[in-house]
Amino acid sequence: ETGVTQTPRHLVMGMTNKKSLKCEQHLGHNAMYWYKQSAKKPLELMFVYSLEERVENNSVPSRFSPECPNSSHLFLHLHTLQPEDSALYLCASSLRGLATGELFFGEGSRLTVL
Amino acid sequence: KQEVTQIPAALSVPEGENLVLNCSFTDSAIYNLQWFRQDPGKGLTSLLLIQSSQREQTSGRLNASLDKSSGRSTLYIAASQPGDSATYLCAVILAGGTSYGKLTFGQGTILTVHP
Repeated sequence: ETGVTQTPRHLVMGMTNKKSLKCEQHLGHNAMYWYKQSAKKPLELMFVYSLEERVENNSVPSRFSPECPNSSHLFLHLHTLQPEDSALYLCASSLRGLATGELFFGEGSRLTVL
Repeated sequence: KQEVTQIPAALSVPEGENLVLNCSFTDSAIYNLQWFRQDPGKGLTSLLLIQSSQREQTSGRLNASLDKSSGRSTLYIAASQPGDSATYLCAVILAGGTSYGKLTFGQGTILTVHP
């Protein structure tokens, strides 16, 4: 399998649930990203990990908790979310920082919070 | 703060037409600019990456140009096909700092190519 793979593709959860989104990249990249895409808004960066170290945290509420156990895997743990958190969550990776590298995206996880 | 604007917001053309999508950005101190395609409900597919030192990049029927001094990029699609229908997004990487987080997206142009 190649590229960036995200699971699950669709997730419906209640406000009191705890769930996790998973991302895996098979490109040998060193940096991984979580983006949020809401309707009619530009993509918003949430978190960036480089070599398993978090290098960017874009003022994201604590109900979103990222985890990067190794350079190929990235998780987004979700708990006590709000309906406005419903969105498409996109994972991406790059070989190095974006100054020289392309960004490759997964297919996204469509999250609905009831 | 870097702002990226894409014009038009939506475009509908008949099959076979050549077309141009526009992207403008307010801060010209960029590392590079990347064009993406997004199909409904899907992730983004990278189309072209232009480094700040380059003027254009080509891939098949796609040609992207960059004029950093004026803060503009265009994506030219030749001989459009219905399969080109998608949302096209441009994103710029602001120079300076770690470069990991300074990727700013436009809101996209929704392209429809009808047979």
